[in-house]
Amino acid sequence: ETGVTQTPRHLVMGMTNKKSLKCEQHLGHNAMYWYKQSAKKPLELMFVYSLEERVENNSVPSRFSPECPNSSHLFLHLHTLQPEDSALYLCASSQEAAITGITDTQYFGPGTRLTVL
Amino acid sequence: GIQVEQSPPDLILQEGANSTLRCNFSDSVNNLQWFHQNPWGQLINLFYIPSGTKQNGRLSATTVATERYSLLYISSSQTTDSGVYFCAVKGGSRLTFGEGTQLTVNP
Repeated sequence: ETGVTQTPRHLVMGMTNKKSLKCEQHLGHNAMYWYKQSAKKPLELMFVYSLEERVENNSVPSRFSPECPNSSHLFLHLHTLQPEDSALYLCASSQEAAITGITDTQYFGPGTRLTVL
Repeated sequence: GIQVEQSPPDLILQEGANSTLRCNFSDSVNNLQWFHQNPWGQLINLFYIPSGTKQNGRLSATTVATERYSLLYISSSQTTDSGVYFCAVKGGSRLTFGEGTQLTVNP
């Protein structure tokens, strides 16, 4: 596989369920991101991991819990979600220069379309 | 934070027509990207263009960083060009997306 992959592609869950979204990048990048895209809204950055360390948490509710076990994998653990959390969740990766902090092109996965009933 | 405005919000074309999409941003940036989101939701990188001009087939982009805008040109549009075009800029630590231009190309 090449690029950025995400599983599952579609997920329907109840408000009491616990599920996880998985992202894997095959590009050798050192930074990974979770974005949320709701209907008719621009992409919202949720979390940023650089060199497996969380460097940004954009005021996301605690019912979303990210995990980055290594530079190639990123998870988003979901529990006790609300119907308004239904959205397209996109993962991305990029190469970040350690000294300048300048980030190269971000590459996106195909997304997981989440529906919370 | 940095503000990103895209215009027009919606654009309908006949196949074969040309179009220009605009992205204005409010501050200096060190990263600007154009993306195409297809009807299935996948974001495809089109250009990484913090300054200058690039061309790729029927698409080209120009960023004038000193005037804080970027333009995406689509020539001889095809129905497969339909979707949402996003501009995203990075001035600090995060990539900020505009609201996109919804392009519909009719046969």
